[in-house]
Amino acid sequence: NAGVTQTPKFQVLKTGQSMTLQCAQDMNHEYMSWYRQDPGMGLRLIHYSVGAGITDQGEVPNGYNVSRSTTEDFPLRLLSAAPSQTSVYFCASSYSLGQPQHFGDGTRLSIL
Amino acid sequence: AQSVTQLDSHVSVSEGTPVLLRCNYSSSYSPSLFWYVQHPNKGLQLLLKYTSAATLVKGINGFEAEFKKSETSFHLTKPSAHMSDAAEYFCVVSDLGGFKTIFGAGTRLFVKA
Repeated sequence: NAGVTQTPKFQVLKTGQSMTLQCAQDMNHEYMSWYRQDPGMGLRLIHYSVGAGITDQGEVPNGYNVSRSTTEDFPLRLLSAAPSQTSVYFCASSYSLGQPQHFGDGTRLSIL
Repeated sequence: AQSVTQLDSHVSVSEGTPVLLRCNYSSSYSPSLFWYVQHPNKGLQLLLKYTSAATLVKGINGFEAEFKKSETSFHLTKPSAHMSDAAEYFCVVSDLGGFKTIFGAGTRLFVKA
């Protein structure tokens, strides 16, 4: 039982490049979300999904896109990377809203 | 609107002494409240959750938290700190009405030998 798997674990990008952070869960959870973690700010919600085909914006959605074509996968896309997007990104899933979330180990992203 | 305030950014205790990590929240609806722990370079792990069944919630590793509606608080406690408790702790509110989850800024716990 793998839980929530994030890839890659580390990534360095140049300003303007695009990339996709992958997230997969094998628990058949409906609710999935993406957070960014910055020092002194806790985790801030970027986007979330309550089921396949349904996504919505969180607190800090600008510069990021998501899609949810299957229950298992919830990729996060950076369209044109900016230094302000340097952060640690966490994907999480839960059975439903209001239930405890299971977190991946994070992707450490640096934008030069 | 919902919010979470962790009142201390850092807490330092000696091994074997009690731990108190403070959290206040605001929510327009009956919230679900959680405490998570994050060890260095790791993801977050659930310590405990409150979902209105009981005001005193027991979690893993000897931690517990008490929901006080009148004070809008959900403080995390442990009777005796262990070196392995050194980590960052996050108080979290999940608002069914808002469909969103809000994290506090975190409290880093240091445990001295």
